Amino acid sequence: DGGITQSPKYLFRKEGQNVTLSCEQNLNHDAMYWYRQDPGQGLRLIYYSQIVNDFQKGDIAEGYSVSREKKESFPLTVTSAQKNPTAFYLCASSIGRTAPSGANVLTFGAGSRLTVL
Amino acid sequence: AQSVSQHNHHVILSEAASLELGCNYSYGGTVNLFWYVQYPGQHLQLLLKYFSGDPLVKGIKGFEAEFIKSKFSFNLRKPSVQWSDTAEYFCAVNAGYSGAGSYQLTFGKGTKLSVIP
Repeated sequence: DGGITQSPKYLFRKEGQNVTLSCEQNLNHDAMYWYRQDPGQGLRLIYYSQIVNDFQKGDIAEGYSVSREKKESFPLTVTSAQKNPTAFYLCASSIGRTAPSGANVLTFGAGSRLTVL
Repeated sequence: AQSVSQHNHHVILSEAASLELGCNYSYGGTVNLFWYVQYPGQHLQLLLKYFSGDPLVKGIKGFEAEFIKSKFSFNLRKPSVQWSDTAEYFCAVNAGYSGAGSYQLTFGKGTKLSVIP
């Protein structure tokens, strides 16, 4: 089945440590995204990538970094500079440039829940 | 910058009641509009979308939404809810053209729907 795999599902981190969340897709989608979901806050865009070797900051990129070396993979690193990293992180992908009228429909992964101790 | 406002944080209904969830957006140009749903323990998934044509769009599980351009609204409706509709519902908007704006999907804060058997 095609889809998005995020790992780990749960992650605990001590303050001051960097942590990397994995996101892999086998949908042959060009675009990939990272969102952060907090209770009562909806989803907020961290980073997105339109194509391999390219990515742009979203609304809340401070304290995060990404890479896009392969079409299938878009890992997110939560750095020690992120002031409030405890959250639920969602990875998504979409067709990208060829979406009609720019209507990029996102397919989401199951999410990774990060808790900073 | 675009923004999305969902009027209700938590809605509680009895089975067979009618549902209407409000969504208003602010954006100065052509838009694509989406409703996503997150059932308990499941991935976020697309419920329905609008990007052109008939402003009344139908989605999965008997849901529909109406785009009213003059009111900047995209309200979600269902004539008769079921217990299985218990979930969190998110309205989202992106720029309605195939450019950088089409990747920046902005979500509302979500509405939790609880359906009582």
